[in-house]
Amino acid sequence: AQKVTQAQTEISVVEKEDVTLDCVYETRDTTYYLFWYKQPPSGELVFLIRRNSFDEQNEISGRYSWNFQKSTSSFNFTITASQVVDSAVYFCALSEAQTGGFKTIFGAGTRLFVKA
Amino acid sequence: ETGVTQSPTHLIKTRGQQVTLRCSSQSGHNTVSWYQQALGQGPQFIFQYYREEENGRGNFPPRFSGLQFPNYSSELNVNALELDDSALYLCASSQPWTGEETQYFGPGTRLLVL
Repeated sequence: AQKVTQAQTEISVVEKEDVTLDCVYETRDTTYYLFWYKQPPSGELVFLIRRNSFDEQNEISGRYSWNFQKSTSSFNFTITASQVVDSAVYFCALSEAQTGGFKTIFGAGTRLFVKA
Repeated sequence: ETGVTQSPTHLIKTRGQQVTLRCSSQSGHNTVSWYQQALGQGPQFIFQYYREEENGRGNFPPRFSGLQFPNYSSELNVNALELDDSALYLCASSQPWTGEETQYFGPGTRLLVL
């Protein structure tokens, strides 16, 4: 069965600190996608990054980087030099293929506070 | 902005009433998924529509139903509203099996059931 666990409910950092958000997932599928979304107070979910199950290459995109490890079923997300505007709830999500499309399961979210 | 639009933005209903929420997908996307997000929780998958057919459903009762139209826009209908249906309802569009599996979300509809 699908499951996404974000053990950190809230994290508070001071501006310019680096912060890592943890995500652990469970799936029986060999083909799946992992995502990170940001939800600011306005409520809209903003897509940040995507990684498919066949690509464990870790990358950096601006201040964002991620560490995907299939061996530990983890997909952690790091913000470097955090800014106040990064304050939001961050969701990790897992998409598995189903007939005709994908079913997506979200974690419970991690609320990030970045203080000036 | 993603190009996914939802209407209305806010809605207040009373218990037992029916509600229809609308979503227009991003241009070129043929799949729409609906999610319910209660306060303080992650989005929960309601169902997905692909080429006008329901294509997967989460753990929601039959009083949650939907439609997808030939232009790929979609409606979510909820009958016999209950207090627990108060939530943010999000729709997301995607184009699976083309390398575009990312779901892009609309701004949501906030539903309050009194």
